[in-house]
Amino acid sequence: DQQVKQNSPSLSVQEGRISILNCDYTNSMFDYFLWYKKYPAEGPTFLISISSIKDKNEDGRFTVFLNKSAKHLSLHIVPSQPGDSAVYFCAASARYGGSQGNLIFGKGTKLSVKP
Amino acid sequence: DADVTQTPRNRITKTGKRIMLECSQTKGHDRMYWYRQDPGLGLQLIYYSFDVKDINKGEISDGYSVSRQAQAKFSLSLESAIPNQTALYFCATSDSRPGTDTQYFGPGTRLTVL
Repeated sequence: DQQVKQNSPSLSVQEGRISILNCDYTNSMFDYFLWYKKYPAEGPTFLISISSIKDKNEDGRFTVFLNKSAKHLSLHIVPSQPGDSAVYFCAASARYGGSQGNLIFGKGTKLSVKP
Repeated sequence: DADVTQTPRNRITKTGKRIMLECSQTKGHDRMYWYRQDPGLGLQLIYYSFDVKDINKGEISDGYSVSRQAQAKFSLSLESAIPNQTALYFCATSDSRPGTDTQYFGPGTRLTVL
């Protein structure tokens, strides 16, 4: 059973607009969440993270929102740029739970930003 | 220079052959990981190592083995490759200090088993 779900395999957005990527999780022990970006022929690169004690974390054009009661997080990219076109993975860990801090990844959402 | 390197970057082999994928890191991290990525399936953990003497199976370890030769080196072996092991393989590292769960990935190895 998937513990981290990204239900949208793909998303297409116009340049300059907001991109919203969504992620749901089922394990209430998760207390740390990350977003990774992956370009073709490259490894995933860390983008932004959030601890469960926060509900928002911002880094430039990227903001992650966490709704613990809904077990949902989202990544907002504003404004979207063509260079943001990539696959985005959501990941979660239970730092103090049985998973020893290992990351559980969603299946990814492919974002296409059109000029 | 890249902090996490993987060799080879691409490999084509035949069923039944033994294959070794290598990972090296200069980040000074204690923890290292091997993942595979299949289309539409995200990243699945094969093995992980929290230090040289601590190696653990991940969610899909069958058919794979690993060796942690040093803090900086972690290799993945396929003893007898089969076609459904065709995938992208990624190595990752992370710090062991509390509150530092972020993993840093290598560029990946594309393995094709014919």
